[in-house]
This record gives sequence, structure tokens and C-alpha cells, in this order.
Amino acid sequence: QVQLQQWGAGLLKPSETLSLTCGVYGGSFSGYYWGWIRQPPGKGLEWIGEMDHAGNTKYNASLKSRVTISINTSKNQVSLKLSSVSAADTAVYYCTRVTPFEVIHPWGQGTLVTVSS
Amino acid sequence: QSVLTQPPSASGTPGQKVTISCSGSSSNIGSNTVNWYQQVPGTAPKLLMYTNNQRPSGVPDRFSGSKSGTSASLAISGLQSEDEADYYCAAWDDSLNGRVFGTGTKVTVL
Repeated sequence: QVQLQQWGAGLLKPSETLSLTCGVYGGSFSGYYWGWIRQPPGKGLEWIGEMDHAGNTKYNASLKSRVTISINTSKNQVSLKLSSVSAADTAVYYCTRVTPFEVIHPWGQGTLVTVSS
Repeated sequence: QSVLTQPPSASGTPGQKVTISCSGSSSNIGSNTVNWYQQVPGTAPKLLMYTNNQRPSGVPDRFSGSKSGTSASLAISGLQSEDEADYYCAAWDDSLNGRVFGTGTKVTVL
């Protein structure tokens, strides 16, 4: 049973770069997309983007200019970088795996990232 | 921004049936499968239904899904207290070339 464990800085200042990493345990990278979804406090889910082991990427158009998702297959890790953050980027960020049937499963435990001066 | 529209809330007494709608368009629900996620407050979302009406292992058969045209729905029969949660529909959108979610529905067991 694949499990996702994520970590990263939880408090940032405006204009800094958000950086989160997700460890993949108990599963293979190939055949799946690996990505990130966020949820502002008290609000709904927003897809950020995803990447497969071959380097193919899909990004939310509204965030594309600031987002980089990368995969390190030797470490079984997926990373997210979001540049020039503002208060609007305050959210819980989830690491996810996406199956060939567009199923998002499983989800990481979530990391609250707060952007405040 | 949420592209799929859901009612903000739904409620029922234990044992009742609750149905949640998810309205989209031809570029998302109309041409792709719908999945549903359950999120208990303070926890990560969990897969509840996939490919419109398929239940993952471990999901009770009280939960059922359907899709017709550009809309989908999730039904909870025999409502139980542990069903109190937020529910989100999701689909791929061919026009946006991205994954979209519903606005979310909070289910309350009275």
C-alpha cells in the first residue's frame, strides 16, 4: 500500500519561494502522475499540477508561471516549488498520486503553509 | 476557481438518504469520468467513488454514484453519523487542460 509523507517550511514571507517535498513509500513511480493540490483555510480544493516519471507535466494555468514540480526517482520523492508567494497562497498543500483512471489516491497528510509578513 | 458546482450543504437524519449534485459542462463531466472525495474536517480528502460509480475497496455500499450528461450525483443511503464530512466531485477538463473540483458540499447528520 503506497503511502505519501510530506514535509517543508510552514511559514513564509511574501515574495519567498514555497518548497515542499513528498516521500513515496511502498510503491513504484512508473505508470502514475504525481502532483499537488492545495486547500485555502475554510475553502475548497485547487489543483496545482502533476508530473510523471518520464517528466511529462501538467500545470494549472493560473499558477503555471510560478510552479515547478519535480521528481527524484532515486529518492522516491516528489517536490513542489511555488515562487513569489503572497497571502493568497496560504493553504494546506497535499501531495497526491494520480492513477491512469484519473483517480487521486492516496493523498499525503497535508502541510499548512502560511504566508505572512 | 471551482468549475464544478455543488450545493453548499445537505443534511438528513440517521437512516435517511442524501443526494449531492455536481454540475459541470461538456468539457469536463460531459466528456470525462467523475470521481468523488470525502474529507472529514482536519484530515486529508479520501477517495470515495471513481469512474462515476465505482466504489473502492472498503467504501460501504451505502454510497453510490451516477452520471448523466454534464451532471453527476452522489447518494448516501442509510445516513450514519460518521458520514458527516465535506464531499467534493472532480473531473478532468479538456478546455482548461487541467483537473477541476466541485465547490464542495458539507453533509450534516441531524
